[in-house]
Amino acid sequence: EIVLTQSPGTLSLSPGERATLSCRASQSVSSSYLAWYQQKPGQAPRLLIYGASSRATGIPDRFSGSGSGTDFTLTISRLEPEDFAVYYCQQYGSPPVYTFGQGTKLEIK
Amino acid sequence: QVQLQESGPGLVKPSGTLSLTCAVSGGSISSDKWWSWVRQPPGKGLEWIGEIHHSGSTNYKLSLSGRVTISVDKSKNQFSLNLYSVTAADTAVYYCARAGWYSSSPVFDYWGQGTLVSVSS
Repeated sequence: EIVLTQSPGTLSLSPGERATLSCRASQSVSSSYLAWYQQKPGQAPRLLIYGASSRATGIPDRFSGSGSGTDFTLTISRLEPEDFAVYYCQQYGSPPVYTFGQGTKLEIK
Repeated sequence: QVQLQESGPGLVKPSGTLSLTCAVSGGSISSDKWWSWVRQPPGKGLEWIGEIHHSGSTNYKLSLSGRVTISVDKSKNQFSLNLYSVTAADTAVYYCARAGWYSSSPVFDYWGQGTLVSVSS
């Protein structure tokens, strides 16, 4: 089973700054099968990015995804107050299985 | 707009069976989608448990496959989770979610609000 490792565990930034979140896979992952989610306290996760770089419906363009192989990145270009949350990467593999990273907490500095 | 709603007991005794149901509204469970259960222990990350298609085909996380059953009831537009022989480690918020394929990318595009299930005597 592929393991996804996210870094850093916690990222402390101020509104307006740029956030860069990393997701590293233990084996190569198809870019089509890498997604990112945002989760706020008491809420279900929300899909942000699919296919490593495509924004889901309604997601602002300050969110972008990139990467391939074993290294993927979620970038938030200019942080808004509502962006402070926990972010998870997720991959789909074979046999049909979904795996999540352990999450990165983005907190206000 | 598809909506999912989990229901079931919030407390289960150790060695018992955790049973939850997810009611789907705003769409048909018989659409060509897969329907999943995902859980999240308090303060921890997300763990996929398994999925079902309306045809009855299932896939489970390997480490849970001996203790879990997911079933579908098309007449009620809902699907269910049974997790057997539970321990305190199964205490978590349980989410149901729909897996949609976006440009060949399988992702969870709709989620229930989640329900906390505690395992305790």
